Amino acid sequence: NFMLTQPHSVSESPGKTVTISCTRSSGGIADNYVQWYQHRPGSSPTAVIYENYKRPSGVPDRFSGSIDSSSNSASLTISGLKTEDEADYYCQSYDSSAWLFGGGTKLTVL
Amino acid sequence: QLQLQESGPGLVKPSETLSLTCTVSGGSINSKHYYWGWIRQPPGNGPEWIGNINYSGSANYNPSLKGRVTISVDTSNNQFSLKVPSVTAADTAVYYCARLQTVITVFDNWGQGTLVTVSS
Repeated sequence: NFMLTQPHSVSESPGKTVTISCTRSSGGIADNYVQWYQHRPGSSPTAVIYENYKRPSGVPDRFSGSIDSSSNSASLTISGLKTEDEADYYCQSYDSSAWLFGGGTKLTVL
Repeated sequence: QLQLQESGPGLVKPSETLSLTCTVSGGSINSKHYYWGWIRQPPGNGPEWIGNINYSGSANYNPSLKGRVTISVDTSNNQFSLKVPSVTAADTAVYYCARLQTVITVFDNWGQGTLVTVSS
């Protein structure tokens, strides 16, 4: 199986835009869909992006997802940052009947 | 509204068996559209998928844990369970149960999680 690598942390100011990357170690990023989860302290993880770029009902359009085959990575972009976006974000994909998660990125909005 | 709730001991001694149950409310576990999964997150690490099961008892497991863990389903009580025998400190983690959609393979509902510490 492959690994999904994320930056440990990112920070940005309210109102700005931030992008979190998720790099696949082997195989193509487009081979399997990528999902993104938000995990706020004290809450359960919730999906904010599925199938690379789709948003579940109720997720604001400030959240967007994409994949880039040239860098073999997926990205989660959050625009118009709010303090409530401060959380851990995890990417997740699937391969050969195994579900894989990235190590997570802590987003600080300050 | 669908809810999942983990239950089980928060402290397990080394070499003993970790047993957790996930109770599903607000929806039936008896659906071909979903799998029911366990995910754990050790302190300071990212999540690790443990395995999934469907309503008929068909399960698949993380290859790194296969042979160590067992997931079972009890449709009459709308529950599914996890057993991890012979635990060590490396099994200390927050354990989550979650619903997995079969078509788009996204974990769309998660329990609150329960911390299980392995210590004597």
